[in-house]
Amino acid sequence: EAGVVQSPRYKIIEKKQPVAFWCNPISGHNTLYWYRQNLGQGPELLIRYENEEAVDDSQLPKDRFSAERLKGVDSTLKIQPAELGDSAVYLCASSLVITDTQYFGPGTRLTVL
Amino acid sequence: DQQVKQNSPSLSVQEGRISILNCDYTNSMFDYFLWYKKYPAEGPTFLISISSIKDKNEDGRFTVFLNKSAKHLSLHIVPSQPGDSAVYFCAASSGSNYKLTFGKGTLLTVNP
Repeated sequence: EAGVVQSPRYKIIEKKQPVAFWCNPISGHNTLYWYRQNLGQGPELLIRYENEEAVDDSQLPKDRFSAERLKGVDSTLKIQPAELGDSAVYLCASSLVITDTQYFGPGTRLTVL
Repeated sequence: DQQVKQNSPSLSVQEGRISILNCDYTNSMFDYFLWYKKYPAEGPTFLISISSIKDKNEDGRFTVFLNKSAKHLSLHIVPSQPGDSAVYFCAASSGSNYKLTFGKGTLLTVNP
Protein backbone atom coordinates (compact mmCIF):
# COMPACT_ATOMS: atom_id res chain seq x y z
CA GLU A 1 0.00 0.00 0.00
CA ALA A 2 1.38 3.39 -0.99
CA GLY A 3 2.03 5.87 1.79
CA VAL A 4 1.31 9.57 1.87
CA VAL A 5 2.80 11.24 -1.19
CA GLN A 6 4.01 14.83 -1.18
CA SER A 7 5.54 17.02 -3.85
CA PRO A 8 7.81 18.75 -4.35
CA ARG A 9 10.30 17.39 -1.84
CA TYR A 10 12.32 20.60 -1.87
CA LYS A 11 11.51 24.16 -2.90
CA ILE A 12 13.64 27.29 -2.86
CA ILE A 13 11.97 30.62 -3.58
CA GLU A 14 12.59 34.29 -2.99
CA LYS A 15 10.49 36.17 -0.48
CA LYS A 16 7.20 37.58 -1.72
CA GLN A 17 6.88 34.76 -4.26
CA PRO A 18 3.97 32.30 -4.14
CA VAL A 19 4.47 28.60 -3.48
CA ALA A 20 2.21 25.54 -3.42
CA PHE A 21 2.57 22.08 -1.91
CA TRP A 22 0.64 19.00 -2.94
CA CYS A 23 -0.38 15.97 -0.89
CA ASN A 24 -2.02 12.69 -1.82
CA PRO A 25 -3.11 10.78 1.30
CA ILE A 26 -3.29 7.04 1.79
CA SER A 27 -6.19 5.62 -0.19
CA GLY A 28 -9.39 5.59 1.80
CA HIS A 29 -8.18 7.96 4.51
CA ASN A 30 -10.85 10.53 5.23
CA THR A 31 -8.83 12.78 7.52
CA LEU A 32 -5.96 14.86 6.17
CA TYR A 33 -3.60 17.13 8.10
CA TRP A 34 -1.05 19.76 7.19
CA TYR A 35 1.73 20.42 9.69
CA ARG A 36 4.65 22.82 9.74
CA GLN A 37 7.90 21.79 11.36
CA ASN A 38 10.42 24.50 12.13
CA LEU A 39 14.06 23.62 12.69
CA GLY A 40 14.57 22.00 16.08
CA GLN A 41 10.85 21.83 16.82
CA GLY A 42 8.12 19.25 16.61
CA PRO A 43 5.41 19.40 13.94
CA GLU A 44 2.63 21.93 14.54
CA LEU A 45 -0.83 21.48 13.07
CA LEU A 46 -1.89 24.06 10.49
CA ILE A 47 -5.17 22.59 9.27
CA ARG A 48 -7.21 19.40 9.44
CA TYR A 49 -9.73 18.15 6.89
CA GLU A 50 -12.55 15.68 7.34
CA ASN A 51 -13.21 14.68 3.74
CA GLU A 52 -13.41 18.03 1.93
CA GLU A 53 -14.32 20.09 4.99
CA ALA A 54 -11.71 22.04 6.94
CA VAL A 55 -12.70 21.31 10.54
CA ASP A 56 -9.74 22.86 12.34
CA ASP A 57 -7.83 25.72 10.74
CA SER A 58 -7.27 27.75 13.89
CA GLN A 59 -3.46 27.66 13.48
CA LEU A 60 -3.43 28.56 9.78
CA PRO A 61 -2.16 32.14 9.14
CA LYS A 62 -5.06 33.06 6.93
CA ASP A 63 -3.59 36.28 5.62
CA ARG A 64 -1.09 34.43 3.47
CA PHE A 65 -1.87 30.72 3.76
CA SER A 66 -4.69 28.84 2.06
CA ALA A 67 -5.54 25.20 1.60
CA GLU A 68 -8.05 23.15 -0.28
CA ARG A 69 -9.18 19.57 -0.58
CA LEU A 70 -11.80 19.88 -3.28
CA LYS A 71 -12.77 16.25 -3.87
CA GLY A 72 -11.93 14.98 -0.44
CA VAL A 73 -8.80 13.19 -1.65
CA ASP A 74 -5.63 15.13 -2.45
CA SER A 75 -4.92 18.54 -1.03
CA THR A 76 -2.94 21.68 -1.82
CA LEU A 77 -1.41 24.13 0.64
CA LYS A 78 -0.47 27.56 -0.71
CA ILE A 79 1.52 30.47 0.63
CA GLN A 80 1.21 33.86 -1.04
CA PRO A 81 3.35 35.84 -0.55
CA ALA A 82 6.06 33.84 1.19
CA GLU A 83 8.12 35.42 3.97
CA LEU A 84 11.55 34.51 5.31
CA GLY A 85 9.96 33.03 8.44
CA ASP A 86 8.01 30.52 6.36
CA SER A 87 11.16 28.46 5.80
CA ALA A 88 10.30 25.07 7.32
CA VAL A 89 9.32 21.52 6.46
CA TYR A 90 5.66 21.18 5.55
CA LEU A 91 4.29 17.76 6.42
CA CYS A 92 1.09 16.16 5.26
CA ALA A 93 -0.48 13.31 7.22
CA SER A 94 -3.61 11.23 6.88
CA SER A 95 -5.67 8.88 8.98
CA LEU A 96 -8.62 6.61 8.31
CA VAL A 97 -10.74 8.57 10.75
CA ILE A 98 -9.87 11.25 13.27
CA THR A 99 -9.33 8.73 16.08
CA ASP A 100 -6.93 6.62 14.05
CA THR A 101 -3.14 6.75 13.86
CA GLN A 102 -1.75 9.53 11.68
CA TYR A 103 0.61 8.53 8.89
CA PHE A 104 3.02 11.17 7.63
CA GLY A 105 4.44 11.90 4.23
CA PRO A 106 8.13 12.76 3.69
CA GLY A 107 7.45 16.50 3.75
CA THR A 108 8.40 19.45 1.58
CA ARG A 109 11.39 21.46 2.73
CA LEU A 110 10.78 25.11 1.88
CA THR A 111 13.59 27.65 1.87
CA VAL A 112 12.66 31.31 1.44
CA LEU A 113 15.57 33.58 0.48
CA ASP B 1 3.92 27.59 26.18
CA GLN B 2 5.21 24.09 25.56
CA GLN B 3 2.55 21.62 26.62
CA VAL B 4 4.72 18.63 25.72
CA LYS B 5 8.34 18.79 26.75
CA GLN B 6 11.28 16.62 25.82
CA ASN B 7 14.06 18.10 27.88
CA SER B 8 16.89 16.01 26.46
CA PRO B 9 17.81 17.16 22.95
CA SER B 10 20.04 14.14 22.49
CA LEU B 11 20.92 10.76 23.95
CA SER B 12 23.75 8.39 23.12
CA VAL B 13 23.75 4.70 24.11
CA GLN B 14 25.73 1.61 23.31
CA GLU B 15 24.29 -1.12 21.11
CA GLY B 16 22.56 -3.78 23.19
CA ARG B 17 21.91 -1.46 26.14
CA ILE B 18 18.65 0.17 27.14
CA SER B 19 17.59 3.54 25.72
CA ILE B 20 15.22 5.60 27.86
CA LEU B 21 13.59 8.66 26.32
CA ASN B 22 11.56 10.94 28.55
CA CYS B 23 8.61 13.24 27.99
CA ASP B 24 6.65 15.54 30.32
CA TYR B 25 3.33 17.22 29.70
CA THR B 26 1.42 20.01 31.39
CA ASN B 27 -2.11 19.72 30.00
CA SER B 28 -4.31 17.58 32.26
CA MET B 29 -6.76 17.06 29.40
CA PHE B 30 -4.32 14.92 27.46
CA ASP B 31 -5.47 11.30 27.54
CA TYR B 32 -3.64 9.67 24.66
CA PHE B 33 0.09 9.63 24.09
CA LEU B 34 2.21 8.55 21.15
CA TRP B 35 5.82 8.17 20.15
CA TYR B 36 6.96 8.83 16.60
CA LYS B 37 10.36 8.08 15.12
CA LYS B 38 11.87 10.25 12.40
CA TYR B 39 14.82 9.53 10.12
CA PRO B 40 16.46 12.40 8.18
CA ALA B 41 14.54 13.48 5.06
CA GLU B 42 11.58 11.30 6.01
CA GLY B 43 8.31 12.01 7.75
CA PRO B 44 7.64 10.86 11.32
CA THR B 45 6.67 7.19 11.64
CA PHE B 46 4.28 5.99 14.33
CA LEU B 47 6.02 3.77 16.87
CA ILE B 48 3.82 3.08 19.88
CA SER B 49 0.99 4.66 21.86
CA ILE B 50 -0.68 4.49 25.24
CA SER B 51 -4.05 5.50 26.57
CA SER B 52 -4.37 7.25 29.92
CA ILE B 53 -6.29 4.26 31.31
CA LYS B 54 -3.07 2.22 31.12
CA ASP B 55 0.32 2.70 32.68
CA LYS B 56 2.30 0.48 30.35
CA ASN B 57 2.19 -0.68 26.76
CA GLU B 58 4.69 -3.01 25.17
CA ASP B 59 5.45 -3.84 21.56
CA GLY B 60 8.50 -5.96 20.95
CA ARG B 61 11.60 -4.05 21.99
CA PHE B 62 9.59 -0.90 22.71
CA THR B 63 7.74 -0.17 25.94
CA VAL B 64 6.01 3.05 26.91
CA PHE B 65 5.35 3.86 30.57
CA LEU B 66 2.85 6.48 31.70
CA ASN B 67 2.85 8.14 35.13
CA LYS B 68 -0.28 10.29 35.18
CA SER B 69 0.30 11.77 38.61
CA ALA B 70 3.70 13.03 37.51
CA LYS B 71 2.49 13.89 33.99
CA HIS B 72 5.43 11.94 32.67
CA LEU B 73 5.94 9.23 30.11
CA SER B 74 8.97 7.37 28.91
CA LEU B 75 9.93 5.16 26.01
CA HIS B 76 12.23 2.21 26.69
CA ILE B 77 14.05 0.47 23.88
CA VAL B 78 15.67 -2.83 24.82
CA PRO B 79 18.01 -3.88 23.37
CA SER B 80 19.01 -0.79 21.42
CA GLN B 81 20.20 -1.28 17.86
CA PRO B 82 22.11 1.06 15.52
CA GLY B 83 19.02 1.21 13.28
CA ASP B 84 17.16 2.83 16.17
CA SER B 85 19.25 5.97 15.70
CA ALA B 86 16.71 8.67 14.84
CA VAL B 87 14.82 11.60 16.32
CA TYR B 88 12.01 10.50 18.64
CA PHE B 89 8.99 12.72 19.11
CA CYS B 90 6.56 12.45 21.97
CA ALA B 91 3.01 13.58 21.14
CA ALA B 92 -0.21 13.93 23.10
CA SER B 93 -3.89 14.46 22.36
CA SER B 94 -7.18 14.76 24.17
CA GLY B 95 -10.44 13.05 23.39
CA SER B 96 -12.12 16.40 22.83
CA ASN B 97 -10.38 17.29 19.57
CA TYR B 98 -7.74 14.60 18.86
CA LYS B 99 -5.25 17.32 17.90
CA LEU B 100 -1.67 16.09 18.30
CA THR B 101 0.73 18.29 20.25
CA PHE B 102 4.35 17.33 19.72
CA GLY B 103 7.47 17.80 21.78
CA LYS B 104 10.69 19.10 20.23
CA GLY B 105 12.18 15.64 19.86
CA THR B 106 15.20 13.75 21.19
CA LEU B 107 17.99 12.62 18.89
CA LEU B 108 18.94 9.05 19.82
CA THR B 109 22.30 7.73 18.66
CA VAL B 110 23.02 4.04 19.16
CA ASN B 111 26.71 3.30 18.82
CA PRO B 112 27.86 -0.10 17.49
